[in-house]
Amino acid sequence: QVHLQESGPGLVKPSETLSLTCPVSGGSISSYYWSWIRQPPGKGLEWIGYMFHTGGTNYNPSLKSRVTISVDTSKNHFSLKLASVTAADTAVYYCARIPVGLIGMVDSWGQGILVTVSS
Amino acid sequence: EIVLTQSPATLSLSPGKRATLSCRASQSVSNYLAWYQQKAGQAPRLLIYDASNRATGIPARFSGGGSGTDFTLTISSLEPEDIAVYYCQQRSIWPWTFGQGSKVEIK
Repeated sequence: QVHLQESGPGLVKPSETLSLTCPVSGGSISSYYWSWIRQPPGKGLEWIGYMFHTGGTNYNPSLKSRVTISVDTSKNHFSLKLASVTAADTAVYYCARIPVGLIGMVDSWGQGILVTVSS
Repeated sequence: EIVLTQSPATLSLSPGKRATLSCRASQSVSNYLAWYQQKAGQAPRLLIYDASNRATGIPARFSGGGSGTDFTLTISSLEPEDIAVYYCQQRSIWPWTFGQGSKVEIK
């Protein structure tokens, strides 16, 4: 059973870069897509982007200019960087696994980490 | 991007009753629609994928249907543990999108 657990700072200052990591335990990072999804407090879910373990990425056009998702197969983890954050980026951030045969469907989620953007 | 509109916003029913949630897409998504359950303070959990396939470990009282632009999630007999917000999500066209959610309450 794969286990995902987001890690990173819970507070980021405006204009700085939000950085989160998601170690993958109980399974290999190979042969899956890996994704980040966020949920502002009290609101719905928004895809940030996803990538395959070999490196191909796809980002939400609304965030594309600020987002970088990367995978480190040697450490079996993947990461999110979101630059130039504002209060609108305050959200619970989830890391998630997408099976190759059913791309776009999340079969495993991290527990989520609340990131607040505030000075 | 494809907009998913869910209804009702809130559904309040007694235990044992049948709950039906709807999801309408702004354009056809074929059968590439999933349903997730999110309980308070938890991550979402996959219930249904590709419109009608139950995910592993999901009770048989959950079923999905529809294709094209109109979809439903049915809980055949509501249990107290089904209190949650339910989201539909399309994977037909990137960016994949979620509906705004339907909240199910126990009366």
